[in-house]
Amino acid sequence: RKEVEQDPGPFNVPEGATVAFNCTYSNSASQSFFWYRQDCRKEPKLLMSVYSSGNEDGRFTAQLNRASQYISLLIRDSKLSDSATYLCVVNPGGSYIPTFGRGTSLIVHP
Amino acid sequence: GAGVSQSPRYKVTKRGQDVALRCDPISGHVSLYWYRQALGQGPEFLTYFNYEAQQDKSGLPNDRFSAERPEGSISTLTIQRTEQRDSAMYRCASSLLATDPAGTEAFFGQGTRLTVV
Repeated sequence: RKEVEQDPGPFNVPEGATVAFNCTYSNSASQSFFWYRQDCRKEPKLLMSVYSSGNEDGRFTAQLNRASQYISLLIRDSKLSDSATYLCVVNPGGSYIPTFGRGTSLIVHP
Repeated sequence: GAGVSQSPRYKVTKRGQDVALRCDPISGHVSLYWYRQALGQGPEFLTYFNYEAQQDKSGLPNDRFSAERPEGSISTLTIQRTEQRDSAMYRCASSLLATDPAGTEAFFGQGTRLTVV
């Protein structure tokens, strides 16, 4: 089983839609969690950290469910510019190595 | 520079040749990571350093791959006797300090696209 698993998609949604991605992780001792965004042919960039209490940044909301070992990303009012690959990142317990999922592709169409 | 810098951006080499990929992290960043990314996949961990010490090299595929960071700043990933399967995007990232949760955002360079022909 991979340490971090994501549905690769693609998720095709119209502008204005709400879309959610989940990511599961295998190491129950994992300490920190992130969502990164990667545009085509570009490097990954941090979108947001994921805190135990959940956190929101504008149209983006991230949640952590430790009991079920998954994190989620919710995007409201999708924009064309949200089209990208969203990478789930986990720092497994005892390691300080950001471990990436394969990414979920989002395509927002007019 | 302000960001992580990698060179060369593109490298085409013949099978059997050695290549050296360079990473210049953000100034002051203690931790430096090397990843390899195949098309349609997330970055796959290769190795990482804190200062000049290699902390973990468990992701290096075999002994043809090695990395160093002799002065705790610039790092070089070397692939000896390259094979076609080594073709990929090689990405370097740095962070303030991996062991500090507040400092664990990883900043990536633009990568080196390696093609072995």
